[in-house]
Amino acid sequence: NAGVTQTPKFRILKIGQSMTLQCTQDMNHNYMYWYRQDPGMGLKLIYYSVGAGITDKGEVPNGYNVSRSTTEDFPLRLELAAPSQTSVYFCASSHSGDYGYTFGSGTRLTVV
Amino acid sequence: GIQVEQSPPDLILQEGANSTLRCNFSDSVNNLQWFHQNPWGQLINLFYIPSGTKQNGRLSATTVATERYSLLYISSSQTTDSGVYFCAVDNYGQNFVFGPGTRLSVLP
Repeated sequence: NAGVTQTPKFRILKIGQSMTLQCTQDMNHNYMYWYRQDPGMGLKLIYYSVGAGITDKGEVPNGYNVSRSTTEDFPLRLELAAPSQTSVYFCASSHSGDYGYTFGSGTRLTVV
Repeated sequence: GIQVEQSPPDLILQEGANSTLRCNFSDSVNNLQWFHQNPWGQLINLFYIPSGTKQNGRLSATTVATERYSLLYISSSQTTDSGVYFCAVDNYGQNFVFGPGTRLSVLP
């Protein structure tokens, strides 16, 4: 099993550009999450999904969008990138909200 | 929303020493997890422990939900234990709130 796969691992964006961070899991997990981690800080929830077709905002959703058309995929879209979005982005999944998380390896994004 | 505190913020140990990391939370929770983030950034789930005590090798965790804290014990520490340890709690919502972490450095 690959678990949770995130692509790309690194990316540099210019201010105002857009991009999509990809996240795929092969564990048939219903719940998926996007977190961001700023340097020296804990993780903050951006968006989450409890199943295909269902998404909801987390603590810091501004500047981001998500979709969940399949159980496996949960892409995160950045529109009009800003320097404040420089961070490491982690995708995670779980069987249900009551189970432990499996994290992807992260995407390090720099906006210049 | 719920607040999560972790202590100490930083900890330096000599290899072979034992340590206790603490997580305090401001409200009742129905779920709690401990994670280890290694120096390369990978996050690994250590324990899913909403209450009680669990052990896995040199690591064990205890959550006293009624008193709103959890403890992570590391015995006979090794250099590979270095990294940041996060506590994350869920208070009957759909997702977990992470604490700020404890940065552990184990010296050879």
